[in-house]
Amino acid sequence: GENVEQHPSTLSVQEGDSAVIKCTYSDSASNYFPWYKQELGKRPQLIIDIRSNVGEKKDQRIAVTLNKTAKHFSLHITETQPEDSAVYFCAATLPFGNEKLTFGTGTRLTIIP
Amino acid sequence: KAGVTQTPRYLIKTRGQQVTLSCSPISGHRSVSWYQQTPGQGLQFLFEYFSETQRNKGNFPGRFSGRQFSNSRSEMNVSTLELGDSALYLCASSLGDQSAYEQYFGPGTRLTVT
Repeated sequence: GENVEQHPSTLSVQEGDSAVIKCTYSDSASNYFPWYKQELGKRPQLIIDIRSNVGEKKDQRIAVTLNKTAKHFSLHITETQPEDSAVYFCAATLPFGNEKLTFGTGTRLTIIP
Repeated sequence: KAGVTQTPRYLIKTRGQQVTLSCSPISGHRSVSWYQQTPGQGLQFLFEYFSETQRNKGNFPGRFSGRQFSNSRSEMNVSTLELGDSALYLCASSLGDQSAYEQYFGPGTRLTVT
């Protein structure tokens, strides 16, 4: 089955700097890659996603890039703010009809004021 | 639109008992997936229901089961509870068709087994 690896497990960055989290997946048939943000005691929140027919997607300070050949995708957060502190999960899923999300192990991001 | 809701939010059970958790999806969403979240294993897929049928299943023992009703609400049942079943159980809903893969999570039910 699908396997998703996520790095780093923890990341501390100065407020205003950029943060990058990387994930690799094993099944080349996977075609949808969402990112979730989970604050302490709260539900995972979908923050951005990308489909396999797109190489990059951006939403304000957040962007995701996908390299299908290398089977990896990354989350980029620019101009980080204290409220960006949370655990971030990447995930991958196979095409329609087999949409179980396989998650990475999470990255605890801490923004240092 | 109201978000995904789950009841109860917290539950304490004893080993050997059984438990039923409930999930109400976003209005119009026909797919409900269940996930288990633990510090050691992370987020793991349990199963997915679409139009009252189990469409996908993860690698959990048969003690974990679920069902979906005609209004898309879903329940998850765990029988013969074990200490290792202590976890946050999350459900997520999606449209369930090719136009949108986005899954939105509920707040979860925190189950503690003593």
